[in-house]
Amino acid sequence: NAGVMQNPRHLVRRRGQEARLRCSPMKGHSHVYWYRQLPEEGLKFMVYLQKENIIDESGMPKERFSAEFPKEGPSILRIQQVVRGDSAAYFCASSATRQETQYFGPGTRLLVL
Amino acid sequence: QQQVKQSPQSLIVQKGGISIINCAYENTAFDYFPWYQQFPGKGPALLIAIRPDVSEKKEGRFTISFNKSAKQFSLHIMDSQPGDSATYFCAASRSGSRLTFGEGTQLTVNP
Repeated sequence: NAGVMQNPRHLVRRRGQEARLRCSPMKGHSHVYWYRQLPEEGLKFMVYLQKENIIDESGMPKERFSAEFPKEGPSILRIQQVVRGDSAAYFCASSATRQETQYFGPGTRLLVL
Repeated sequence: QQQVKQSPQSLIVQKGGISIINCAYENTAFDYFPWYQQFPGKGPALLIAIRPDVSEKKEGRFTISFNKSAKQFSLHIMDSQPGDSATYFCAASRSGSRLTFGEGTQLTVNP
C-alpha cells in the first residue's frame, strides 16, 4: 500500500509565476489536508478537503491560494502570483475517515526567486 | 486558544539516556494528541498518539504521559539512540479535524 505521494518534490518559481502542487492520498483515503512549514517553524494547517468538497479552508490565505480535490485524480494546491514569502515546504496528509490518523507525504519544497 | 506550546526547542541527550519533550494546550475540546517525528527533508511520520481517556500509552521505547487536568502531555524516549535524532512535533486535534502543531523540538542524541 503506497503512502501519500506528492509531486514535485522541489519546485522553483520566479515571483509572479504560478505554483501547482499535487497530492495523491493513500489508497482508500478520501480526506486530504494541506499544511505549510516555514523554515525553522512548525506545520500550519491550510485546508481540509474531502472528495470534491472543501471542508475547512480557515488556514488558507484569502488571496492567491486555492485547493481542490476532484472526483478523479490528485488534490491540487495552487498558488498564483507567488511571492518570496511563499517559499516553504508544503505537506499533504490523508486519512481514511475524519477521525482516523493523518499520514503525511514527503512534501513539496517551494522556492520563490 | 488553538495553540499548542512545546518545549524545549532543542534537546541534547547522551546515548542511552531519556529524552523528555513537553506540550501544553488550551483548548479543552481537543481529544486527540499525536506525536510526529520528522527527519530533514522528509515528511512527518506518526510516532505515537493518545486520547484523553487514558493517562499513559507506551509503544516500545516511546511513552506518552497525559495530564488532562493540567492540559499537558509529554513524550518520553527511553534508551535514546543516535538514530532518534530528529525533530519531534506534538499536535492536537478536535474530533479528527485539522491538526494544531507545536513548534517542534530538535533532538540530538550523542553517541
